[in-house]
Amino acid sequence: DTAVSQTPKYLVTQMGNDKSIKCEQNLGHDTMYWYKQDSKKFLKIMFSYNNKELIINETVPNRFSPKSPDKAHLNLHINSLELGDSAVYFCASSLLTRTDEQYFGPGTRLTVT
Amino acid sequence: AQRVTQPEKLLSVFKGAPVELKCNYSYSGSPELFWYVQYSRQRLQLLLRHISRESIKGFTADLNKGETSFHLKKPFAQEEDSAMYYCALGDNAGNMLTFGGGTRLMVKP
Repeated sequence: DTAVSQTPKYLVTQMGNDKSIKCEQNLGHDTMYWYKQDSKKFLKIMFSYNNKELIINETVPNRFSPKSPDKAHLNLHINSLELGDSAVYFCASSLLTRTDEQYFGPGTRLTVT
Repeated sequence: AQRVTQPEKLLSVFKGAPVELKCNYSYSGSPELFWYVQYSRQRLQLLLRHISRESIKGFTADLNKGETSFHLKKPFAQEEDSAMYYCALGDNAGNMLTFGGGTRLMVKP
């Protein structure tokens, strides 16, 4: 029944490693997103992905790359992890229009040591 | 550039007291505004959106274009209202949300 799921829930890794976070939604939504929540609880959009169109927040380093094998999945791959990447990453999905509710996943807590 | 500001990081009230969580926005187009809530150990979820003009769990929010505000109000706070509240602005490109910094509401017994 879970609408938006993410794996793993927790991820601890060392600087310089490459890691991926997976996201799946079973709501039939057209658009998926990745958000980053930092230690001060600021929540910031990273990417929006709709029908193979990727819209990137220009402040996101190119070490971050979203990959969408199909409409129900949007994975986040991070290369050369840095200490500052430690955060909670949320996946979300919605229908197309900007008035639609976004459904969030439970979050993945990434800790880079 | 669009921006959402929530001036209070923490708001602490007693049960039964009125609550107002402030939100101001900056946007050149016609705004679409939302309030999202994150209860302890739960995922972020939509509380209400201005286009619906509805009251959810006793909360209301009115869009004031003159003051560019979308404050969240509840006349009588309950302990179960304790949570993190985020004001969000939807843009025209990619349906992305710009969130405010969030306000932690603590309702004391």
